[in-house]
Amino acid sequence: QVRLQQWGAGLLKPSETLSLTCAVYGDSFSAFFWNWIRQSPGKGLEWIGESRPSGGSNYNPSLESRVTISVDTSKNQVFMNLSSVTAADTAVYYCARGNYGNDLDFWGQGGLVTVSS
Amino acid sequence: SSELTQDPAVSVALGQTVRIACQGDSLRSYSASWYQQKPGQAPLLVIYGKNKRPSGIPVRISGSSSGTTSSLTITGAQADDEADYYCNSRDSSGSRVFGGGTKLTVL
Repeated sequence: QVRLQQWGAGLLKPSETLSLTCAVYGDSFSAFFWNWIRQSPGKGLEWIGESRPSGGSNYNPSLESRVTISVDTSKNQVFMNLSSVTAADTAVYYCARGNYGNDLDFWGQGGLVTVSS
Repeated sequence: SSELTQDPAVSVALGQTVRIACQGDSLRSYSASWYQQKPGQAPLLVIYGKNKRPSGIPVRISGSSSGTTSSLTITGAQADDEADYYCNSRDSSGSRVFGGGTKLTVL
């Protein structure tokens, strides 16, 4: 069974960089898309971006200038950095596995990130 | 359009049938997947590939699509189905996009 475990700083100040890690256990890593999604308090899901199995990444245009998603295939880990955070970036952040059917079939547990001065 | 539109809230009487719709131009080209989210939990994939259920998802949950609309149907709604439901697909640029979500209340 696939399991995604994520971690990272939970409290940031404005202008800092958010860094999250997602470790993948139990299945092939390189064959899938690795996504980050966030959910602001009381709001809906927002796709941040993904790392593609062929290499490279694809980002939400609204965040593209500030976000970087990368992978370490030797450790089966996915990373996300979001620079110059503001209070609007306060959210629960999820990592999720995407497949070629365009589904997000496994999700991490989520982690709340709060941006506050 | 890169947007997926869902009704914000829907209610259904216990044991009745409810349909939750997701509308967007990109659904002509890409199939939608559906996610159930309960308070404090991560989303759970419940429908993919238009009408396929992952293991463990009850058969009362089904999906369909026509043109620019994809739908999630719950036949014989149970109290456990009360949750937020989100559709997801890709837009013409290949970016993923979520619908705004539908809060389902089981009365």
